[in-house]
Amino acid sequence: AQSVTQLGSHVSVSEGALVLLRCNYSSSVPPYLFWYVQYPNQGLQLLLKYTSAATLVKGINGFEAEFKKSETSFHLTKPSAHMSDAAEYFCAVTRLNQAGTALIFGKGTTLSVSS
Amino acid sequence: DGGITQSPKYLFRKEGQNVTLSCEQNLNHDAMYWYRQDPGQGLRLIYYSQIVNDFQKGDIAEGYSVSREKKESFPLTVTSAQKNPTAFYLCASSIGGTGFTDTQYFGPGTRLTVL
Repeated sequence: AQSVTQLGSHVSVSEGALVLLRCNYSSSVPPYLFWYVQYPNQGLQLLLKYTSAATLVKGINGFEAEFKKSETSFHLTKPSAHMSDAAEYFCAVTRLNQAGTALIFGKGTTLSVSS
Repeated sequence: DGGITQSPKYLFRKEGQNVTLSCEQNLNHDAMYWYRQDPGQGLRLIYYSQIVNDFQKGDIAEGYSVSREKKESFPLTVTSAQKNPTAFYLCASSIGGTGFTDTQYFGPGTRLTVL
């Protein structure tokens, strides 16, 4: 069975600082992984996804994530935080025990950015 | 513009009432999903549908029902059997089939509160 663990329910950074949001997965087969962002009272928007084509994945808004099989991790990073990055971030993995593309989500990490 | 609409944005339910949440998409997607979001819990899958006239239970289907009579529509009914329905409900869609890396697109959500 697949699962996702996000370490740290809340991360605080200063504007211009490095953003690092942690995600570890558990999967008996090669996983397909996603990062989504959610702004208050809105739906989720895809930041990036890992499809096995490349281990370093670049997404929107300057975010990127690196798939590390040896560490079972898919951490999200951004070199320089902006105030507009304040939101909740979710890591997710595709369920592979059934047809279709339903996702299993982590519990989320809230990112706060201070000036 | 293509997208997913959910209505209403806010919904209030009295004890013992059934309520129906609307989800419509004009992306020509085959697959549609309903998730429930509670603070600190991430998103949990309620029901999903890979094709018209077919749907499957997710992880927390008890107290909920769905229908998929049209490709564009996937309404969710929260029945009186759901003992703790207060939550944020998100509908999503994807191209469908067995594309495990397909992106899920989310609607803006409906916030349901039990009075």
